[in-house]
Amino acid sequence: DAKTTQPPSMDCAEGRAANLPCNHSTISGNEYVYWYRQIHSQGPQYIIHGLKNNETNEMASLIITEDRKSSTLILPHATLRDTAVYYCIVSVGGTASKLTFGTGTRLQVTL
Amino acid sequence: DAGVTQSPTHLIKTRGQQVTLRCSPKSGHDTVSWYQQALGQGPQFIFQYYEEEERQRGNFPDRFSGHQFPNYSSELNVNALLLGDSALYLCASSLVGQLTDTQYFGPGTRLTVL
Repeated sequence: DAKTTQPPSMDCAEGRAANLPCNHSTISGNEYVYWYRQIHSQGPQYIIHGLKNNETNEMASLIITEDRKSSTLILPHATLRDTAVYYCIVSVGGTASKLTFGTGTRLQVTL
Repeated sequence: DAGVTQSPTHLIKTRGQQVTLRCSPKSGHDTVSWYQQALGQGPQFIFQYYEEEERQRGNFPDRFSGHQFPNYSSELNVNALLLGDSALYLCASSLVGQLTDTQYFGPGTRLTVL
């Protein structure tokens, strides 16, 4: 599995958009980009995933660059409950493969 | 729709003892993966079970073993516990054959080894 690079921490004001970057320069053509988040001491929560097109769901939007070497997770209107560690993971789809977690980005949403 | 459940929530053991953790997958899922998360670290893959067999394994010693039952639930067993086995143990389930096999995690079992 390709490795990812994320900033260790970010701050965001409540109500503003949170943009979390991820670099995955060695991603292979069949690898998806997944985002999970983990609120303190809970299990990771799936957020969104994508291959090469931008994706949006009720939680977030995922923007993947055309060369697929980086992506950005966007939380459009961050709330205090979005404070968590966000993990960007690349993994081959369709094989129930293991997820390789890095250290993630600790997002702190403040008033 | 029931999500992934794990039991127990918390567990305290002493060095040398053995422990069994349990996981019930999300309804409709057939694959269970186990992860270990030490304090301040990201989860680390232990192994994955599908069709009652170990399908993949991470870099964990043989003291870590597992089992999957016909109803797709799973157990993680750890023998000869060490202090370093203290961690949050996470179970994730998925459905083989889907395009992206998205894994959904349970709340975890917090194991403390004294």
